[in-house]
Amino acid sequence: EILLTQYPSTLSLSPGERATLSCRASQTVRGSLAWYQQRRGQPPRLLIDGASNRASGIPARFSGSGSGTDFTLTISSLEPEDFAVYYCQVRSDSPPPITFGGGTRVEIK
Amino acid sequence: QVQLVESGGGVVQPGRSLRLSCAASGFTFRSFSMHWVRQAPGKGLEWLTFISYDGSDRHYADSVKGRFTVSRDNSKKMLYLQMNSLRPEDTAIYYCAKDGDPYYWYMDVWGKGTALTVSS
Repeated sequence: EILLTQYPSTLSLSPGERATLSCRASQTVRGSLAWYQQRRGQPPRLLIDGASNRASGIPARFSGSGSGTDFTLTISSLEPEDFAVYYCQVRSDSPPPITFGGGTRVEIK
Repeated sequence: QVQLVESGGGVVQPGRSLRLSCAASGFTFRSFSMHWVRQAPGKGLEWLTFISYDGSDRHYADSVKGRFTVSRDNSKKMLYLQMNSLRPEDTAIYYCAKDGDPYYWYMDVWGKGTALTVSS
């Protein structure tokens, strides 16, 4: 089982600032890491797949990077609508086949 | 447009059963695998189950294995989650999600969810 640890659990920033969110896996990920955004009261939305590929319609200020066990989601300049919770997710060869991280809340400072 | 609409949630007593449904539209449903994911109040996302495009391959989280069963009807473009022996800890919003990649299993389209409360 792959465990995903997201940190920090909460990030307090101002609009226009850069956000750096981390996701660490307990074992090597084979490139299947995805990032999701969940605004309050809404379902999750896919942001990034394959660790670094922006999903359709996702603004360029969102970028993903990393490999192996350490991955990063960067929001280059926070817009008001970006204050939300972000989750990483991975597929594993061993059960359970899918794991989500615990989430990082990006809140307005 | 691509859309998923869940239904069937509500309030149910512990030990009872319930079936959730997910209606798909705007894409070739029979060509895509599907997932169910839930979110307990104030908590994070928990993946529950996967079903392949043709229903031949299914996987479950340990928390629901043996109690929940995923199925699909491609002719009706419907996904189902049969939930038996419900427990208070099953209280959550249940989302169906379309699989975005047959190898990497990320979820590229989500429904708005249906809420389930298990309480006496």
